[in-house]
Amino acid sequence: GAVVSQHPSWVICKSGTSVKIECRSLDFQATTMFWYRQFPKQSLMLMATSNEGSKATYEQGVEKDKFLINHASLTLSTLTVTSAHPEDSSFYICSAGGLAGATQPTYEQYFGPGTRLTVT
Amino acid sequence: AQKVTQAQTEISVVEKEDVTLDCVYETRDTTYYLFWYKQPPSGELVFLIRRNSFDEQNEISGRYSWNFQKSTSSFNFTITASQVVDSAVYFCALSEAPSTGFQKLVFGTGTRLLVSP
Repeated sequence: GAVVSQHPSWVICKSGTSVKIECRSLDFQATTMFWYRQFPKQSLMLMATSNEGSKATYEQGVEKDKFLINHASLTLSTLTVTSAHPEDSSFYICSAGGLAGATQPTYEQYFGPGTRLTVT
Repeated sequence: AQKVTQAQTEISVVEKEDVTLDCVYETRDTTYYLFWYKQPPSGELVFLIRRNSFDEQNEISGRYSWNFQKSTSSFNFTITASQVVDSAVYFCALSEAPSTGFQKLVFGTGTRLLVSP
């Protein structure tokens, strides 16, 4: 159980275009989803936290207008990289947590397989 | 502010050797959680363990063991009799206790483990 998928797994786009990445919790409903970014051979950096039905909370230094996050349901969050540029090329990973309806707090984050974005 | 330090950038061992990955953390919270994740070349993060700050018992799971020492703010990870399949990047992470809502993970910089045959 607790499977998180991401689509697409990799994408190549031209500079100036927008790319949407989907994160889905397949067998559970998550109240909270996180978006991370990982540059080659570096650690994961949290970009934003999104709770279902509310606006995402962005980390310092992350451009809200460039990285649009929508968390419309308990099983789906999307990250849209708008007007992508080569410096946006990275590995984007989502995680889902906070099982909806759980009677006890749950602390696990379940990670998706990641999406590799290359902007040419 | 929370911080996780993994001083070892890369470790190379030969198969069957034991290897310990170090993790030192900083937090002002009295209640917190520590994690270890494995990231193989495919990129997907694999959860290994979660430990809360009140449980200092060491844990063993097969060839994996963890040593949590609150006195030194360390949460080290040992792989016994390493195998080639253990080659990956290992991340240590820290989060506050989710008193109000879900808390974010703070990751260390990772340790790349290379196990050669």
